[in-house]
Amino acid sequence: QSALTQPPSASGSPGQSVTISCTGTSSDVGGYNYVSWYQQHPGKAPKLMIYEVSKRPSGVPDRFSGSKSGNTASLTVSGLQAEDEADYYCSSYAGSNNFVFGTGTKVTVL
Amino acid sequence: QVQLQESGPGLVKPSQTLSLTCTVSGGSISSGSYYWSWIRQPAGKGLEWIGRIYTSGSTNYNPSLKSRVTISVDTSKNQFSLKLSSVTAADTAVYYCAVGYKKRFDYWGQGTLVTVSS
Repeated sequence: QSALTQPPSASGSPGQSVTISCTGTSSDVGGYNYVSWYQQHPGKAPKLMIYEVSKRPSGVPDRFSGSKSGNTASLTVSGLQAEDEADYYCSSYAGSNNFVFGTGTKVTVL
Repeated sequence: QVQLQESGPGLVKPSQTLSLTCTVSGGSISSGSYYWSWIRQPAGKGLEWIGRIYTSGSTNYNPSLKSRVTISVDTSKNQFSLKLSSVTAADTAVYYCAVGYKKRFDYWGQGTLVTVSS
């Protein structure tokens, strides 16, 4: 299967919002409500930020939100803070006990 | 909170088998309805799911790697392992172990770099 498509980069000033898209197909993103988002700081392991499209694990700030429309999922970070600068990856269940990740987006806080 | 730690050789020769172990602490690998996964990331690139094993021992693999991958669990040691055969330079990456409930990856190990080179 092919990786999900994400924009290479996104940016915003502190306090602003940034939205990252994650585009797949009807066989993955569009077919299941099992999209998750991961934040990865340089040299660190990914951290789960959103699961099942829009649910936040305990401890993740409510500035992070997720949504989905058709074959495209989105992650929005509101009230950008310096510590939000990181790489973000989406992931989707792709059926038949298989998973696919996105290409990754580097978020820069200006 | 469960913690995971990868271990294994950092250098593997081409055509040989890469073997890694993930040691689980803070919880039992055989309890709960959790999936134990391996995920890798080449330098400067994105993440790739390799496969997973369920607490029952059933496994699922990425179709693109299935012919070369084996994931197993040792409940007595609270560990699960990855074997990837016939490696090439394209298998050079940071390898992560992770655990998740249903279809997500909740907690990750710190990752271990494996280089394939003669």
